[in-house]
Amino acid sequence: QSVLTQPPSVSGAPGQTVTISCTGSISNIGAGYDLHWYQQLPGTAPKRLISGNNNRPSGVPDRFSGSQSGTSSSLVITGLQAEDEADYYCQAYDRRLSGWVFGGGTKLTVL
Amino acid sequence: QVQLQESGPGLVKPSQTLSLTCTVSGGSISSGGYFWSWIRQYPGKGLEWIGYIYSSGTTYYNPSLKSRVTISLDTSENQFSLRLNSVTAADTAVYYCARAGYYGSAIVLWGQGTLVTVSS
Repeated sequence: QSVLTQPPSVSGAPGQTVTISCTGSISNIGAGYDLHWYQQLPGTAPKRLISGNNNRPSGVPDRFSGSQSGTSSSLVITGLQAEDEADYYCQAYDRRLSGWVFGGGTKLTVL
Repeated sequence: QVQLQESGPGLVKPSQTLSLTCTVSGGSISSGGYFWSWIRQYPGKGLEWIGYIYSSGTTYYNPSLKSRVTISLDTSENQFSLRLNSVTAADTAVYYCARAGYYGSAIVLWGQGTLVTVSS
């Protein structure tokens, strides 16, 4: 049981827009800590996708965007491409644990 | 650029101690105030934070693992290490070492991960 809640799977056709939600609590997202998103391709380590309030590292297309409000956050992917098929995780600091918590991961399938 | 590489046994017997080392290349583990961390990923894909050690040597552990975990820095070897005692099959996972700028920041740097299987 992950501390942050994500849907197990989402899907969309090429060119479409999908949204992945991440719900936390008052000890993590709701406490004002930044929520981060990672993309994990099969057999590789997670890679930072979005930091905090919609900050993308260089090399991440602007098709990926994030937003945060209250105890929730969303990752929006527009103009879906086949290469976007991957697992996506959210992560934040939790003051009750004094450490990091993760979502259970969402598998994105591009139809 | 800075890179992380995990090393250690891929197979550990139940009740024994899992020991992994993360070698930092391209930069000094002593420079800057970083959080050097261990994270594991179960076969079913969930990620779990194990703990981290700040550059000063202060450690923070996941409460669910605290009684069994030790993370340490070896500045002379530019490495940091994980020891997990009394392992069971439930500790079978891919173990990643990672680095973040501070506790609230994103995990910017990850090792490639190493699979550790607990089995007799």
